[in-house]
Amino acid sequence: DAGITQSPRHKVTETGTPVTLRCHQTENHRYMYWYRQDPGHGLRLIHYSYGVKDTDKGEVSDGYSVSRSKTEDFLLTLESATSSQTSVYFCAITDGLGQGTDTQYFGPGTRLTVL
Amino acid sequence: QKEVEQNSGPLSVPEGAIASLNCTYSDRGSQSFFWYRQYSGKSPELIMFIYSNGDKEDGRFTAQLNKASQYVSLLIRDSQPSDSATYLCAVTGRQGAQKLVFGQGTRLTINP
Repeated sequence: DAGITQSPRHKVTETGTPVTLRCHQTENHRYMYWYRQDPGHGLRLIHYSYGVKDTDKGEVSDGYSVSRSKTEDFLLTLESATSSQTSVYFCAITDGLGQGTDTQYFGPGTRLTVL
Repeated sequence: QKEVEQNSGPLSVPEGAIASLNCTYSDRGSQSFFWYRQYSGKSPELIMFIYSNGDKEDGRFTAQLNKASQYVSLLIRDSQPSDSATYLCAVTGRQGAQKLVFGQGTRLTINP
């Protein structure tokens, strides 16, 4: 699993509460990504990071923010969770320099349920 | 219009046969193409990548790319029950080589 851990692995929360998901990597990779996966949609990119304090938006970034204060940690925050954010969230890293030939490797995922 | 399209299946194939999974993409500028396998409740794992037109073989798996037709496929020879999973096609997107765009996945079932 390319040295990627995600926490928590499962979380149930209520609408309107803030939620932070953590992705931790041990191999000093520069690029990190957050995806969500929903039935019928495959994986969709939320945000990604290309270095400490360097982040950019993906396809479905509304309602999400990220932070990366250390190389090894990439945090995804839902400021005020909604039921539409119920999903499985995957963190990923690339093993290269952010080029098209890089391969992305995924963490184990976090299943989030917003009631 | 979806950027990457796959038949969601389910695709059912008898054990020992060839499974053929297909993917089309809309961005002609796409350069890299990936196939991931995902077992139920697990994270995606890379099977193969392909960058050039033609075929690329790795064991029982063959990826085929036709950029003129904007089509990429994955063939699985001698299909085994352990190949039963969802297969995700991913393409480098329009806005940056490092951002992947995924299809919705094809669920494959290998019948013993």
